[in-house]
Amino acid sequence: AQSVSQHNHHVILSEAASLELGCNYSYGGTVNLFWYVQYPGQHLQLLLKYFSGDPLVKGIKGFEAEFIKSKFSFNLRKPSVQWSDTAEYFCAASDGGGYNKLIFGAGTRLAVHP
Amino acid sequence: GAVVSQHPSWVICKSGTSVKIECRSLDFQATTMFWYRQFPKQSLMLMATSNEGSKATYEQGVEKDKFLINHASLTLSTLTVTSAHPEDSSFYICSAKSGTSGSRDTQYFGPGTRLTVL
Repeated sequence: AQSVSQHNHHVILSEAASLELGCNYSYGGTVNLFWYVQYPGQHLQLLLKYFSGDPLVKGIKGFEAEFIKSKFSFNLRKPSVQWSDTAEYFCAASDGGGYNKLIFGAGTRLAVHP
Repeated sequence: GAVVSQHPSWVICKSGTSVKIECRSLDFQATTMFWYRQFPKQSLMLMATSNEGSKATYEQGVEKDKFLINHASLTLSTLTVTSAHPEDSSFYICSAKSGTSGSRDTQYFGPGTRLTVL
């Protein structure tokens, strides 16, 4: 069955620390991968997405993610976090063959302390 | 960027009543809209996909007669929770997309509606 798993449910960091959030997927065939962020009290926003090509994807706000096909992973990274990065982060995947359905991971709640 | 709104943002109702939630794309025409449900401290679960002018496609386990979806125009979709019960209490989120590239189209999410059934 198609699934997305995020291993870190809660992450606490100090400002300027580096961030890496894990995401693994289980899909047959090609897959599209996404990272969404939900700031407190706000709606989900797209951080970045991967369809094909360069496996290192750069998104907004200094985030990037690397698609490693052999590991079925799409980890999110940021070299230096800020207090304003405090939010919940969701990894999601969809069928690369064209079907729209997004399957979300459980989410990772990130708290950045000043 | 594309904006999706939901109304109401929160609603409290009595058990047995029906509640309608609206999802609007404010600055684009949404060919497809999606309805998700999010339980506390859990992820979003897709409930159904609706295309303008056609019947919604429901995910396995979602009761069609319980959760009525209408996508009457390219900017409006509604979700009606019929005969609501306390177990229907949840956070309901819609998303919308405008493109025709299938799974590569970006979905834009609404702010969600918190439903509490007493």
